[in-house]
Amino acid sequence: GQQVMQIPQYQHVQEGEDFTTYCNSSTTLSNIQWYKQRPGGHPVFLIQLVKSGEVKKQKRLTFQFGEAKKNSSLHITATQTTDVGTYFCAGPNRDDKIIFGKGTRLHILP
Amino acid sequence: DAGVIQSPRHEVTEMGQEVTLRCKPISGHNSLFWYRQTMMRGLELLIYFNNNVPIDDSGMPEDRFSAKMPNASFSTLKIQPSEPRDSAVYFCASSPLSTGRETQYFGPGTRLLVL
Repeated sequence: GQQVMQIPQYQHVQEGEDFTTYCNSSTTLSNIQWYKQRPGGHPVFLIQLVKSGEVKKQKRLTFQFGEAKKNSSLHITATQTTDVGTYFCAGPNRDDKIIFGKGTRLHILP
Repeated sequence: DAGVIQSPRHEVTEMGQEVTLRCKPISGHNSLFWYRQTMMRGLELLIYFNNNVPIDDSGMPEDRFSAKMPNASFSTLKIQPSEPRDSAVYFCASSPLSTGRETQYFGPGTRLLVL
């Protein structure tokens, strides 16, 4: 079946450094969604990308959707302690069922 | 808006007991999802409903798990009998449209510990 893979699984960065997580699908996606889950919290929707090659920004966060619509990335510039959490990508399979990646857990070192 | 409401927020029970988790989706949303999250397996989709009808329950681990959605504003996930390996955080999420492509709004989760 379709798989959505994320790397890295864990990332420790110094506060102020940049961070990037990558998402790869075994099949072409009609869209990709990104969610953030704070420690002890629940996943919260961040953004959805639909178009091939699409780039969207939310303040220090930059989201990209690959030209082939099989991969995506989330880049955070100058991380802050509030960025701590797990970042998930998710995409629909052929049956329109959302498949979540395993997530990338970001830890910020002060 | 109150968002997705789940109860209880925490549940501690003994092996063999029945556990019932409850969810109230956002009013007007047509899709409802139940997830289980553990460190080992991540976020797993257990079952989802469109317009109160179960569409895909292939993620339900075994017959001990059952889910119902008697109306548009209420759903339950039941585990009977519970086992220690069922310990996890169970999330309910709802979505506005009847496809899996739309944004999902997660509830706060129920943290289940089976002793």
